[in-house]
Amino acid sequence: AQSVAQPEDQVNVAEGNPLTVKCTYSVSGNPYLFWYVQYPNRGLQFLLKYITGDNLVKGSYGFEAEFNKSQTSFHLKKPSALVSDSALYFCAVRDPRVPGSARQLTFGSGTQLTVLP
Amino acid sequence: GAGVSQTPSNKVTEKGKYVELRCDPISGHTALYWYRQSLGQGPEFLIYFQGTGAADDSGLPNDRFFAVRPEGSVSTLKIQRTERGDSAVYLCASSLTVTSDYNEQFFGPGTRLTVL
Repeated sequence: AQSVAQPEDQVNVAEGNPLTVKCTYSVSGNPYLFWYVQYPNRGLQFLLKYITGDNLVKGSYGFEAEFNKSQTSFHLKKPSALVSDSALYFCAVRDPRVPGSARQLTFGSGTQLTVLP
Repeated sequence: GAGVSQTPSNKVTEKGKYVELRCDPISGHTALYWYRQSLGQGPEFLIYFQGTGAADDSGLPNDRFFAVRPEGSVSTLKIQRTERGDSAVYLCASSLTVTSDYNEQFFGPGTRLTVL
């Protein structure tokens, strides 16, 4: 079975500092990995995904994530945080080896990012 | 273009009642998903449609939950004999498919269901 862990419920960072939101995964094969962001009273918005190829993936709003197969991690990063980045962030995984039509995402429990001015 | 829309945005009902939640996906998206998000948790998969058919309903918690997509576009999630534990935000998502299964899903704003 596929699973995702986000070990930090809350991350605080000062504006202008780099930020990291951690994610580790468990799948039987090579995963498809996704990051989504959720603002209050709004739906999840796609940030970026890793399918194959370059381990460093760049996404929306200056975010990037690094796939590390040996550590089974896919941490979200941004070089310089903005107050407007404050939101709830979700990591998600799909195991492409799951047969048939099992195309659903498995989400982590989320990390609340607060960027302090 | 327009994103995924869901109606109603909020639904308050009494225990034992029947509710319907509607999802209108992005035009041209053949795949449609329903998820349930409880407070403090990530979304949990309920059901996936490819076109009109439910390709995977393994996430439906019990037979009180049912979903349809009769014309391959709008979908309705139906909950019979609601229970207080059904209270959650119900999210709908759609994506392009068929040839690849790694297309990102686009989520609607959700329907917040409260069962009193």
